[in-house]
Amino acid sequence: KNQVEQSPQSLIILEGKNCTLQCNYTVSPFSNLRWYKQDTGRGPVSLTIMTFSENTKSNGRYTATLDADTKQSSLHITASQLSDSASYICVVHTGGFKTIFGAGTRLFVKA
Amino acid sequence: NAGVTQTPKFRILKIGQSMTLQCTQDMNHNYMYWYRQDPGMGLKLIYYSVGAGITDKGEVPNGYNVSRSTTEDFPLRLELAAPSQTSVYFCASSDKQGVSPDTQYFGPGTRLTVL
Repeated sequence: KNQVEQSPQSLIILEGKNCTLQCNYTVSPFSNLRWYKQDTGRGPVSLTIMTFSENTKSNGRYTATLDADTKQSSLHITASQLSDSASYICVVHTGGFKTIFGAGTRLFVKA
Repeated sequence: NAGVTQTPKFRILKIGQSMTLQCTQDMNHNYMYWYRQDPGMGLKLIYYSVGAGITDKGEVPNGYNVSRSTTEDFPLRLELAAPSQTSVYFCASSDKQGVSPDTQYFGPGTRLTVL
């Protein structure tokens, strides 16, 4: 069964600290993996996309990694800001119109 | 560019009522999608469209209908609302699908409660 599992479910960190969010997937075939940021009451916004051959991708303070062998991805946030408080969703595309969404990690950044 | 817009933002329905959730995009994207997001769950695809006049079922289509008469608009219809349809609904659009699908752009969502 195609699944995307994210951990932790929620996380609280202090402003300025780093954090890493995890994503494990059992999706086949694999086309690409994206991380989205979803602010409360808003739709998801794409942060990064990685294909099978890429193992790291950065977007400002966000760095995503992908290990296609172990089917794991992580999103590392550096020097967190209050505006980073949001849900972060791992999404795996299998090709065509099949897209599997993780349930997300809810990040709270405190001052 | 407004991107993807959805109306209404909030709606409360009684069981058995019907309504249409509106979605419009101004990016000239061929591909459009409807998702629902239940608490603690990932987004689930309801219906999608690859262009005007062409729609297909996603993972959870029961209880919903769609139409795509223009490139810009992709309304979602609930005919007989049930409590199980209480959810947040997101519309999205993208430029193309395939081996490397383009980014999906999401609307702000419609929060629907069925009582």
